[in-house]
Amino acid sequence: QVQLQESGPGLVKPSQTLSLTCTVSGGSFSSGSYYWSWIRQPAGKGLEWIGRISTTGRSSYNPSLKSRASMSIDTSKNQFSLQLTSVTVADTATYYCARVEDFPDLWGQGALLSVSS
Amino acid sequence: QSALTQEASVSGTVGQKVTLSCTGNSNNIARYPVVWYQQISHGAPKAVLFGNSLPSGIPPRFSGSRSGTTASLTVSGLQPEDEADYYCSTWDFSLSIWVFGGGTRLTVL
Repeated sequence: QVQLQESGPGLVKPSQTLSLTCTVSGGSFSSGSYYWSWIRQPAGKGLEWIGRISTTGRSSYNPSLKSRASMSIDTSKNQFSLQLTSVTVADTATYYCARVEDFPDLWGQGALLSVSS
Repeated sequence: QSALTQEASVSGTVGQKVTLSCTGNSNNIARYPVVWYQQISHGAPKAVLFGNSLPSGIPPRFSGSRSGTTASLTVSGLQPEDEADYYCSTWDFSLSIWVFGGGTRLTVL
């Protein structure tokens, strides 16, 4: 059974770079039919799609993040990562990683990331 | 502001049928299937419907429809465990991103 697990620092200072990693276990990470995505949710608010990356490294991002987001993938470790630069308090949220085939169908449990000085 | 528009809240009694709506535009809902997510107590969202298909393990009281730029999720025979936040989502052709609704809080009275 495929599972996704986010990991990250929990707390980041304003203007710094946020880094999160998603580890995929129990399945075929390198299948060409999947994209791997990051989605976030501020407390009490709705969901926002951040971006996606394929196992070949092809990526795309939500324009609302104004080029602050980048993703990378390491198929040897079954991991993909998110970096978000120049963070502000508005980036405080629960960050989910998700597998996407026809839709984001499998999600991690989420990692809470707070931006505070 | 969310790209897709949902009611803030909907309520119903046990056994009742309720319908949640999701309105988009010609670049998203009119073009692509809509996925509906259930989120209970701030846990990870779980898909309960994709287009007209039920993911594995989802009871058949959940059903969906689409007309033009509006999609709907119907829960027939409402159960206490259906109380949750529900989000609609689909791909947007113009923005090239997945877009979400703001969510509907479904309360079972």
